[in-house]
Amino acid sequence: AQSVSQHNHHVILSEAASLELGCNYSYGGTVNLFWYVQYPGQHLQLLLKYFSGDPLVKGIKGFEAEFIKSKFSFNLRKPSVQWSDTAEYFCALRTGGYNKLIFGAGTRLAVHP
Amino acid sequence: AAGVIQSPRHLIKEKRETATLKCYPIPRHDTVYWYQQGPGQDPQFLISFYEKMQSDKGSIPDRFSAQQFSDYHSELNMSSLELGDSALYFCASSGPKETQYFGPGTRLLVL
Repeated sequence: AQSVSQHNHHVILSEAASLELGCNYSYGGTVNLFWYVQYPGQHLQLLLKYFSGDPLVKGIKGFEAEFIKSKFSFNLRKPSVQWSDTAEYFCALRTGGYNKLIFGAGTRLAVHP
Repeated sequence: AAGVIQSPRHLIKEKRETATLKCYPIPRHDTVYWYQQGPGQDPQFLISFYEKMQSDKGSIPDRFSAQQFSDYHSELNMSSLELGDSALYFCASSGPKETQYFGPGTRLLVL
């Protein structure tokens, strides 16, 4: 069965620090990968996605992620976080165009000014 | 740009009551997905519809049912509500092989 693993459940950073959130998935075939962000009390918003092509994808708000097929990973990065990045971040996997999303457990990020 | 609309945004019910949640997808999106997010949990897939037909089914209790109508909106019907059904229910929509975009969710509290 497909699964998504996010290793860090809670991350605390100071403003301007660099961020890397880990995401590994389990599935042997072609995948679509996503990072969603959920600000406190709000709905899931798409940060970025990977379908095919360049494995380094850039998203909104300065976030980027790199798909490394050999490592089954899709880590999220941001060079300099801001207080407004405080949120929960979910990595998600989809195995086909119309298929459901399978989410990781989420990483709760707190950025201190 | 138009987004996914869900109603109601908040709902309080008593045990054993019924609830109906509605989802209006982004225009021209033909696929609707329902997810349940419990407190502190990741979203769990419940059910999806493509062109008004059920396309996939996840961990949806038998007490729940859903359908997609001719105008592509969808309703999730929940009966015999239990305390454990308290959660945030998200609807997402997508076009052909496109990204899923999520609505604001309906927060259901069962007392």
